[in-house]
Order: sequence, then C-alpha cells, then structure tokens
Amino acid sequence: GAVVSQHPSWVICKSGTSVKIECRSLDFQATTMFWYRQFPKQSLMLMATSNEGSKATYEQGVEKDKFLINHASLTLSTLTVTSAHPEDSSFYICSASGPTGLPYEQYFGPGTRLTVT
Amino acid sequence: KNQVEQSPQSLIILEGKNCTLQCNYTVSPFSNLRWYKQDTGRGPVSLTIMTFSENTKSNGRYTATLDADTKQSSLHITASQLSDSASYICVVSAAYNTDKLIFGTGTRLQVFP
Repeated sequence: GAVVSQHPSWVICKSGTSVKIECRSLDFQATTMFWYRQFPKQSLMLMATSNEGSKATYEQGVEKDKFLINHASLTLSTLTVTSAHPEDSSFYICSASGPTGLPYEQYFGPGTRLTVT
Repeated sequence: KNQVEQSPQSLIILEGKNCTLQCNYTVSPFSNLRWYKQDTGRGPVSLTIMTFSENTKSNGRYTATLDADTKQSSLHITASQLSDSASYICVVSAAYNTDKLIFGTGTRLQVFP
C-alpha cells in the first residue's frame, strides 16, 4: 500500500517551453502533497506544499509563477515548470501524505528527471 | 538553526559485512526521525520512523536507534547485500511542523562482492 507514482519518469525539453509533471497517489487519498527538487549529490529541497483544493504554499526563494502547482483532487497533483531554462534541469520528486497512512509518514514518488536543452 | 548531519559521507564495505551510519541533529522541539534509502535516480524509500519515546526500531536487516537526549541516531545494516548500495538519508521533523522534513546530506554506501 501507499504507492505514489510520477509521470513522466524523465523528460527533455527545449529552453523556453513548459513541462508538466504528474504525481498520483495510487491507493490512498493524499490530503497533502509535497514537491521537492534534488540536484546531483545534494539533499532534497522542498519547493512547495499543497493541500487538496487549496493554493500551494511555496518555500522561500521558489518562484510560484514559474513552478505552478495544482492539487485538484485527492489523488493527483501536478507541477508545471513554465518557460524552462537549463538551470531548471534537476530531479523532481513528489511525496504525499494522508489520513490512511502511518502518522507523520510521507510516501515518495520515483522522481522525474528534467533536462532542459 | 535546525540541522541534520550525517557521517560518514561515504562508505565502502564488502558483501556480508555489517555497518553503522550516524546521524546527529539539532532540531528542536523534536518530533520524529526517519531513515530513508535512496537508490540512484529514484525517490527515497522509508526504512524506519521513530518518535521521541522510541529508542530502537527494526526493519529486516536495518535497525535504527535513537537517543533523544544526545540527539543522535544510528542505522545499522546487518549482513550487507549488493542491493544495499544506495544513499541513506536521515530526516528529522520538528514538533511545530511535522510536514517540514529536515534532510541530512546522506551517506553514500557501496557494497562490493
């Protein structure tokens, strides 16, 4: 149980285009979803937290107009990287938590590798 | 400042051997501590999660310990296997915001045959 999927697993896009990444909780209702970014050999960095039906809360330094987050249902959140640039190339990971999971537990997705050329 | 430090940064061991990874934190007030395993190019997978009142928890060949007084934790891996090669991340949450995970920089473990 408590499986989180991401799609796509990797994507290559040209500079200036937008990319959408999906995060789904497959077998539980995710009341809260989190989006992280991880650069090579570094720790995960929280970008934003979203609750179903509410606007996302962004961490300091994360541009909300560039990284659009939508959490429209209890099983789906999307991250759209708008006008992507090479410096946005990174590993994006989502996680989800919900009332049916273990207390405090966040279940992580497998990640999406974004490369902007 | 809330911080989580791990040691060693990297570790190489032979298959079948045991090893222990260390985690020190300054997070206060403390809520819980987790250990995750992250394979290269994959998302983290939870190994253990411990709250203030727990001082040891096992998950198969993985055993985590917690000393909330000294703010230290360890992850012991028994009879290592090649598939244990990964990064192991210690993550702590503060009581005032358990959703905000404070990540350590990880220990990169390589197990050789």
